[in-house]
Amino acid sequence: GDSVTQMEGPVTLSEEAFLTINCTYTATGYPSLFWYVQYPGEGLQLLLKATKADDKGSNKGFEATYRKETTSFHLEKGSVQVSDSAVYFCALSTPSGSRLTFGEGTQLTVNP
Amino acid sequence: NAGVTQTPKFQVLKTGQSMTLQCAQDMNHEYMSWYRQDPGMGLRLIHYSVGAGITDQGEVPNGYNVSRSTTEDFPLRLLSAAPSQTSVYFCASSYSKAGLGETQYFGPGTRLLVL
Repeated sequence: GDSVTQMEGPVTLSEEAFLTINCTYTATGYPSLFWYVQYPGEGLQLLLKATKADDKGSNKGFEATYRKETTSFHLEKGSVQVSDSAVYFCALSTPSGSRLTFGEGTQLTVNP
Repeated sequence: NAGVTQTPKFQVLKTGQSMTLQCAQDMNHEYMSWYRQDPGMGLRLIHYSVGAGITDQGEVPNGYNVSRSTTEDFPLRLLSAAPSQTSVYFCASSYSKAGLGETQYFGPGTRLLVL
């Protein structure tokens, strides 16, 4: 079945550091890929998405590129801020499916 | 727009009790779903609905019931609570089903503790 694997967390960085959170997937067909973010005490909200190979999603300085050859969708940001501290979830959906399949989530803490 | 709202925010139940988690959305979305979030497991789909009067099971449906009498509301019922149902529950909605690459809009969650 479909699955998403995220790098193990938690991740702790200093402000202005470079961030990478790895995400790889297994799916039949051509999935859409997502990154959702959950700030403390809140629900999930969409950070960015890509719906076909080689697409790049971007938002708030975060980027991720849909790499079909490596089945990956790694999240990057050049300079993190304290306000980026949150849990980040990689997810996929397939055209024949009715749900999002989530990774385990990665807790990011950014220290001043 | 209020978006997706959930009540209550927090609930404590005893084993065997029943309760209903409420979910409502004001975006006229056809697709609604319930997920549970457990540490180290991401979110898992419990039940979903593609429109009023239509519901289906997700990945972990046992112990839960749903109905969809209106477009706006999608309540989740716990029939006889068990400690294994201790979790954080999220309701989500979108214009069409998740498989079409639609953005899902999530509520703030209900934290449930079953003793």
